[in-house]
Order: sequence, then structure tokens, then C-alpha cells
Amino acid sequence: GENVEQHPSTLSVQEGDSAVIKCTYSDSASNYFPWYKQELGKGPQLIIDIRSNVGEKKDQRIAVTLNKTAKHFSLHITETQPEDSAVYFCAGRGSTLGRLYFGRGTQLTVWP
Amino acid sequence: DTEVTQTPKHLVMGMTNKKSLKCEQHMGHRAMYWYKQKAKKPPELMFVYSYEKLSINESVPSRFSPECPNSSLLNLHLHALQPEDSALYLCASSQVLLAGARSYNEQFFGPGTRLTVL
Repeated sequence: GENVEQHPSTLSVQEGDSAVIKCTYSDSASNYFPWYKQELGKGPQLIIDIRSNVGEKKDQRIAVTLNKTAKHFSLHITETQPEDSAVYFCAGRGSTLGRLYFGRGTQLTVWP
Repeated sequence: DTEVTQTPKHLVMGMTNKKSLKCEQHMGHRAMYWYKQKAKKPPELMFVYSYEKLSINESVPSRFSPECPNSSLLNLHLHALQPEDSALYLCASSQVLLAGARSYNEQFFGPGTRLTVL
């Protein structure tokens, strides 16, 4: 099956700085890569996703890039705010129908 | 309506109890999922239903029994659980499962049920 690695496991930034979280995947057949934000005591929230036929996607302060050749994808958050503090999970959709493979998560802390 | 709801929010049960978790969505999604999440870990897939039929069971112990009575509802029946089953149980839904390049299956999660087994 698919194997998704995520780094770093923790990330601390000052408010206003940028944050980057990186993931790699193993299954070249994977074609869909969502990112989830999970705040304390809540369920994961889909914040952005990218499909394998696209190299970059932006939504206001967040962007995701995908390098299919290198099998890695990254989440970029610009102008970070304290409310961006949460655990972020990347995921990849492998060959099994309906199955997402999650990275281990990154705890992002934004200091005011 | 663009959300997945779960009840109850919190549940405490003894090892001999029988309880059920409930999940509901009204987005017209035909795939529904149960996940288990331990603290500081990613969600672990337990079951997937597609068109109200069980399509994936990730070798989950029989003390967890899923049920999909209709396209909007998903239940998880719990019986004779162990303390190590204490976790956040998440429900998710997505559009129909499709094979091939058009299958992306954006999954939307509910808030979860925090389960404690004593």
C-alpha cells in the first residue's frame, strides 16, 4: 500500500512568518493529496487538496505544491496567525478505493 | 447542509456495556467511514461503506459492529470493549467511490465522539 511520510513533527513560528510542511509518498499511482487541519478537541477539517494533474494550488494564505517526479508535496502557510495553531495532516490516496493514507501529523504553533 | 454530525460528543462506558455511536450527513454522499484516533496520532481507518454496503473492514475486532441503515446514517455498535479502545471515533463521508483517475473522494470529517472505556 501507500506510505506517506511527513516532516517536521513540530513547527514553531512567529506570527506573520511563513510555515512549510513537507510530505513524501511511495505509490506512483496515487493521484490525490488532501491536507487536514485538526484543532484540539475537533475533527480534522479539509483545508486544501491537490490532484496529480496539477502542480500548485492556492487558497488565500495557504498553498500546496506537488512534485510527481520526486513524489513529494508541501503545504505553505503565509502570514501565519495564532489561529493557525493546530495539528496538520497530509494524506495520499493510494490504489485502494476510498482509502487515504495519512502522514503522522505536524503540530504547528504560531506565537503572537 | 455541508457537515457531518456525530452523537454523542462524549461517552464513558464499562467493559460490559453495550452502546452505539451515531453519524449523520445530508450532503448526498454515498460513501461513509469510521476512523479511530488516538492522542497525537493520525486517524486509523476502521470501516468503509459504499452505497450502504460494507466495502472495507480493516481487520477490526468483532466487538466493533458497524451498521449503515440508509445513505445518510452510519452507526457503530460497541460491546465488551477494552480500556485500550478509548479514543476519538471519527466519522467521515465522501461522494461515491469511483475507480480510476476521476476518483478523488474528498472526505469530510465529523467532530468525533470521545470514548472512554473504564
